[in-house]
Amino acid sequence: KQEVTQIPAALSVPEGENLVLNCSFTDSAIYNLQWFRQDPGKGLTSLLLIQSSQREQTSGRLNASLDKSSGRSTLYIAASQPGDSATYLCAVYGGSQGNLIFGKGTKLSVKP
Amino acid sequence: DTGVSQNPRHKITKRGQNVTFRCDPISEHNRLYWYRQTLGQGPEFLTYFQNEAQLEKSRLLSDRFSAERPKGSFSTLEIQRTEQGDSAMYLCASSLPGRIHGYTFGSGTRLTVV
Repeated sequence: KQEVTQIPAALSVPEGENLVLNCSFTDSAIYNLQWFRQDPGKGLTSLLLIQSSQREQTSGRLNASLDKSSGRSTLYIAASQPGDSATYLCAVYGGSQGNLIFGKGTKLSVKP
Repeated sequence: DTGVSQNPRHKITKRGQNVTFRCDPISEHNRLYWYRQTLGQGPEFLTYFQNEAQLEKSRLLSDRFSAERPKGSFSTLEIQRTEQGDSAMYLCASSLPGRIHGYTFGSGTRLTVV
């Protein structure tokens, strides 16, 4: 059974810092991995989608990497801003289950 | 197209009542998914449709839960005889078929059972 773990569970940083969020998964036979952002009480906003054949994807200040063989992904946020404060969720598609499986998320707080 | 739409945004109901939620996916997406999210947890899969066919149901989907997608467009999720443990955010997502496409989620319906 696919399991997704996100570390840390919560992170607080001062504005302007670069930071890394970690995601690990137990079954490396995935088709893709998706990073989402969730604001309190809201739905999920897709940030980046990485196919299993890709090593990384970039969008603005965000860069996501994927090491499928080791079951790991990282989300790098450059020059963090207070508006980046949210919960970041990692989800994998494939493996032993054919639907998107989520981690519990990392709650990020960026202090002005 | 404005994305995945869910209604209502919030629902407060008394224990034992039935509730129904609606999801309108992105029009060209033939796959539709329902997830449930409780506080501090990631979303958990409930069920999914390809067109009007319900192809998979999680063990989380007890017999009090039923989902339909009658014409392969919008979907409804009904919970009968609600319990306090049903309080959660119910999220709908849609996608194109195939393994390379990501999911697009709606804003969710927050259910509170009192």
